[in-house]
Amino acid sequence: KAGVTQTPRYLIKTRGQQVTLSCSPISGHRSVSWYQQTPGQGLQFLFEYFSETQRNKGNFPGRFSGRQFSNSRSEMNVSTLELGDSALYLCASSLEGPGGSTDTQYFGPGTRLTVL
Amino acid sequence: AQTVTQSQPEMSVQEAETVTLSCTYDTSESDYYLFWYKQPPSRQMILVIRQEAYKQQNATENRFSVNFQKAAKSFSLKISDSQLGDAAMYFCAWASSGAGSYQLTFGKGTKLSVIP
Repeated sequence: KAGVTQTPRYLIKTRGQQVTLSCSPISGHRSVSWYQQTPGQGLQFLFEYFSETQRNKGNFPGRFSGRQFSNSRSEMNVSTLELGDSALYLCASSLEGPGGSTDTQYFGPGTRLTVL
Repeated sequence: AQTVTQSQPEMSVQEAETVTLSCTYDTSESDYYLFWYKQPPSRQMILVIRQEAYKQQNATENRFSVNFQKAAKSFSLKISDSQLGDAAMYFCAWASSGAGSYQLTFGKGTKLSVIP
């Protein structure tokens, strides 16, 4: 079974631009979560989607948004990029979502975003 | 808010020896899940081991085992017979089993070096 895939793997943008990152979950997984990883803040939760519905959102500004499609693929969008948005963005998929009784989150390789 | 603390930013171990990574967490919930994830230089997060809080028995996965002390809110990872491939960042994570959460809360990580 193919793992979680994220595209693109690397991205360079300039301040003020917007960016869209994509995540394809493992086949059959309906939950997709997004995390931001930086050296200073570590891993921080962005949001989680299940069957096209956002169930939880982390403490990020409204510039960060996401969506999930009927095939469970997910995208996240960051508008008006700032230098501090430079990070590794990780996507994770699971059957039920974090905390499910038998669930495990599987992570993708991440998208490295650099904002200049 | 739930917090996860890893007090050892860096650790090293001789190849074939045993090392223990520490993790403490703070929660008022009684039912939850704990995880150890490994992130090698390739940046792909890999689940090492998972523990359900309602289970008294400590989880084991081959050379990896945990010491789960619920009352003390402690969840340490023991790696036996350390191998060069074990060198990585290790993250402790917590997830609620209750509805409405759907996120992993991570510690800051411990960088493990394995000395040949």
